[in-house]
Amino acid sequence: NAGVTQTPKFRILKIGQSMTLQCTQDMNHNYMYWYRQDPGMGLKLIYYSVGAGITDKGEVPNGYNVSRSTTEDFPLRLELAAPSQTSVYFCASRTDRTDTQYFGPGTRLTVL
Amino acid sequence: AQSVTQLGSHVSVSEGALVLLRCNYSSSVPPYLFWYVQYPNQGLQLLLKYTSAATLVKGINGFEAEFKKSETSFHLTKPSAHMSDAAEYFCAVTGGYNKLIFGAGTRLAVHP
Repeated sequence: NAGVTQTPKFRILKIGQSMTLQCTQDMNHNYMYWYRQDPGMGLKLIYYSVGAGITDKGEVPNGYNVSRSTTEDFPLRLELAAPSQTSVYFCASRTDRTDTQYFGPGTRLTVL
Repeated sequence: AQSVTQLGSHVSVSEGALVLLRCNYSSSVPPYLFWYVQYPNQGLQLLLKYTSAATLVKGINGFEAEFKKSETSFHLTKPSAHMSDAAEYFCAVTGGYNKLIFGAGTRLAVHP
């Protein structure tokens, strides 16, 4: 199993550009999560999904959108990039039988 | 609402010395508590978790943590630090739909 994979690893965007951060897991996990990590702030939950077709907002959803058309994929969309979205983004997943979340390697995004 | 406070954003120890990373939590329900480790430029990896069984939890790499309800604490310890333990450590508590509420993190430095 590859676990949780994220692409790209790094990206630089200009203000106002859009992009999609990809997240895929091959563990057949129902639950998937997107977090952002800012220095000294820990991880903040952006969006989460409890299964295909079901998503909900976390603590910091503004400026982001998600979709969950399959069990495996949970892409995160930034429509109009802003400098405040400069961060490291982590995707995570878990089954509904355990509370342990498994994290991807992260995407480092810079908005200039 | 659940919250986590990690005391000390940076901790420095000598190789072979005791490691103590502090975590206090607030939860309106019996909590599930976690310690994750993040090595440079990597995702988060589960060290250990407390899920209401034994109050002393042993994890990977010689780490352990003790749940103390009276002190609302879940401090992480290791008897003897190795250079390879240098990383950032996050304490987390579950917060509904098993979302994780993270502390701000503690960066551990180990010097010879």
